[in-house]
Amino acid sequence: EAGVAQSPRYKIIEKRQSVAFWCNPISGHATLYWYQQILGQGPKLLIQFQNNGVVDDSQLPKDRFSAERLKGVDSTLKIQPAKLEDSAVYLCASSPAYADTQYFGPGTRLTVL
Amino acid sequence: GENVEQHPSTLSVQEGDSAVIKCTYSDSASNYFPWYKQELGKRPQLIIDIRSNVGEKKDQRIAVTLNKTAKHFSLHITETQPEDSAVYFCAASLTGTASKLTFGTGTRLQVTL
Repeated sequence: EAGVAQSPRYKIIEKRQSVAFWCNPISGHATLYWYQQILGQGPKLLIQFQNNGVVDDSQLPKDRFSAERLKGVDSTLKIQPAKLEDSAVYLCASSPAYADTQYFGPGTRLTVL
Repeated sequence: GENVEQHPSTLSVQEGDSAVIKCTYSDSASNYFPWYKQELGKRPQLIIDIRSNVGEKKDQRIAVTLNKTAKHFSLHITETQPEDSAVYFCAASLTGTASKLTFGTGTRLQVTL
């Protein structure tokens, strides 16, 4: 079974630029999560989708972050404009509907200069 | 919302010794407690989990205990090996349609020869 795929793996941008991350969950997994993991900290949930609907985006900085999952499969997370404090690893995870176990992708390491 | 505290932040043990990592949670409604292992530059991987209807669970050298009254749970690794060196994260959630993991801050375990 293929795991969660993410791209790019690394991204370096200047502050105020925009960036987008892509996630392809495990086939058949209805729930998709985006986490932000700042160096030395645990992952923090940004947004959770159930199919193509948002379940929880309470910790998403909506003035600069946006995410979509239009067809209930792949998802993109966008930051515009980026700030220095957005430097982190962005992890995507997926799980079957109503299941507890989350499977993580390899993450995208973002550096904002 | 849920808050998870994790101790210690770093732990160094000699090969063959045991390691214990402790977490406390704030929301008494939480009922699912997974532990993830994250090696440097890699994705978090689930190593063991426990639900609130169970007090202890074992899987070879790894065990997790849960005290619902005190709202704390612990990871026990026996006969540690160098490949156990990694960052370990505990997490807590309330299972259901919007299962949302709240992670601890992580414990860096170093197993020395």
